Amino acid sequence: DSGVTQTPKHLITATGQRVTLRCSPRSGDLSVYWYQQSLDQGLQFLIQYYNGEERAKGNILERFSAQQFPDLHSELNLSSLELGDSALYFCASSSETGEETQYFGPGTRLLVL
Amino acid sequence: QKEVEQDPGPLSVPEGAIVSLNCTYSNSAFQYFMWYRQYSRKGPELLMYTYSSGNKEDGRFTAQVDKSSKYISLFIRDSQPSDSATYLCAMREAGGGNKLTFGTGTQLKVEL
Repeated sequence: DSGVTQTPKHLITATGQRVTLRCSPRSGDLSVYWYQQSLDQGLQFLIQYYNGEERAKGNILERFSAQQFPDLHSELNLSSLELGDSALYFCASSSETGEETQYFGPGTRLLVL
Repeated sequence: QKEVEQDPGPLSVPEGAIVSLNCTYSNSAFQYFMWYRQYSRKGPELLMYTYSSGNKEDGRFTAQVDKSSKYISLFIRDSQPSDSATYLCAMREAGGGNKLTFGTGTQLKVEL
């Protein structure tokens, strides 16, 4: 158990809908990262937040947004969903101690029908 | 061309074999190199973390980094059926956030 929690574990929705994925980092970790894992693309970095502020952005679609709250949990919002958004979405967290190992949560499996 | 290339396998070996997993990369700015293990339907789990070139050993696992060749390896000695998983290499640049760039993963099966 990495200490990172994600909810829900599974999500089934329809095209055009909007969903919110939630992540709680390990105790004491200030950074949260979101990744998308699909069969054809592998694990792709989406976005990083550090202590409430956006730190780095990857290949995140404009239909996707994220935020980190004062209690350090984070939410990833996916809107106008398309079939191709079906994937595993992972959250990871790290501290700011120099060697910033990222610890991954169990993921949310999203299926868009 | 992807920044990080990894043979997807599947790789099947008998129990007790030495397994060699490899990644090549094109970005010379990568300084930190990691290997993650991912069991089916689970999150990636960090196995090894190395900085720059050299070797690092942890139990049955040895990670090697050759920055001059842009090539990293993970060796697993005395492989066990419980090692059956997908192994992902990951790397990042120094500074400028902590974005990890992953290989696509190699699926390993260790058979009895």
